[in-house]
Amino acid sequence: QQQVKQSPQSLIVQKGGISIINCAYENTAFDYFPWYQQFPGKGPALLIAIRPDVSEKKEGRFTISFNKSAKQFSLHIMDSQPGDSATYFCAASMGGNNAGNMLTFGGGTRLMVKP
Amino acid sequence: DTAVSQTPKYLVTQMGNDKSIKCEQNLGHDTMYWYKQDSKKFLKIMFSYNNKELIINETVPNRFSPKSPDKAHLNLHINSLELGDSAVYFCASTPSGTDTQYFGPGTRLTVL
Repeated sequence: QQQVKQSPQSLIVQKGGISIINCAYENTAFDYFPWYQQFPGKGPALLIAIRPDVSEKKEGRFTISFNKSAKQFSLHIMDSQPGDSATYFCAASMGGNNAGNMLTFGGGTRLMVKP
Repeated sequence: DTAVSQTPKYLVTQMGNDKSIKCEQNLGHDTMYWYKQDSKKFLKIMFSYNNKELIINETVPNRFSPKSPDKAHLNLHINSLELGDSAVYFCASTPSGTDTQYFGPGTRLTVL
């Protein structure tokens, strides 16, 4: 049973456009929702994260929108650049600095930004 | 200056062998993890380890075992390797007081 569902699997956007990736979760105990960016041959790196007490968080060109009632959250990349081409993963965990804080990942979205 | 390092980067071995992957973090993080990324890029937690507390994902075969000689290291031992174990394995760690997980560069394991 996949607890975090991510869509689309792949996305092609023109340079300067907006990239939107969506995720839905099932476990209402989740209270930490990060997005990770992964380049080929590299490990995932944290991009931006949100907690359910806010509906939106923005860092530079990256924005997370969070809808607690719908159990959905999304990543928006404004003014997408070719350097943003990577695989993006949403994730969720129950938070807390203990051994139980394990990330459950979505299936990933391969983003290609065309110049 | 990699915060989380893994060795080796590539590991090719025969079915039935036993192998280990090493992970070290030099940031004084309290919690460490192992994740498996399959050929379809799906990332799945395998283990979480904090101050001698080990949490195992119930789907992980008991051929896999983490070993922590000290707080900075969490190695992954795999016995009787199978073809389906071929994947990229990532180590990660979390500093105290935050939820951010920092991933290592990965180890690509190929079982022939």
